[in-house]
Amino acid sequence: SQTIHQWPATLVQPVGSPLSLECTVEGTSNPNLYWYRQAAGRGLQLLFYSVGIGQISSEVPQNLSASRPQDRQFILSSKKLLLSDSGFYLCAWSVLLAGGVDEQYFGPGTRLTVT
Amino acid sequence: QKEVEQDPGPLSVPEGAIVSLNCTYSNSAFQYFMWYRQYSRKGPELLMYTYSSGNKEDGRFTAQVDKSSKYISLFIRDSQPSDSATYLCAMSDPGYALNFGKGTSLLVTP
Repeated sequence: SQTIHQWPATLVQPVGSPLSLECTVEGTSNPNLYWYRQAAGRGLQLLFYSVGIGQISSEVPQNLSASRPQDRQFILSSKKLLLSDSGFYLCAWSVLLAGGVDEQYFGPGTRLTVT
Repeated sequence: QKEVEQDPGPLSVPEGAIVSLNCTYSNSAFQYFMWYRQYSRKGPELLMYTYSSGNKEDGRFTAQVDKSSKYISLFIRDSQPSDSATYLCAMSDPGYALNFGKGTSLLVTP
């Protein structure tokens, strides 16, 4: 069966510090990978998605970046965090099924507080 | 206008009640409709999905899609305190990214 891991689970970082969040998936090959941010009252905001190694699409311009160095590894980074970067960061994976349905499965999330 | 609208609640019901959760949408190209359940401080988990219009039942959960009205529903029968969570609807045009509602917070009281 497939599992998805995220770490760290919680993180408190000062403004201006760098960020690196990691996501790995087990039990599947060539998954689509996603980074979302969930802020209170704002729902899930898609930040990045990737359909393969080195292929990253950005949905929202901001000071975050993503990389996919291996098939089942997805990393979210920032060089300098802003207060507005606080939130719950979720990684998800999916495999495109017949007919174009994209069932996404989420990791446990990382709660980031920027102080 | 957001593509997917969902009342954030909170919705509070007594144990055993039938719960109705709803979303409306504006994009008539949406074909796939999903419901996720998210417990506090956890990632969302996929409950069920339906394709196009119609009903789908899974245990105490029934998902309903009315494409003519651009309206989807999730019914929970015999609700339990363990059903207390935020429920997110999501939908997509085939081959495109999922569009999520903001979620409805549900509290089932013993």
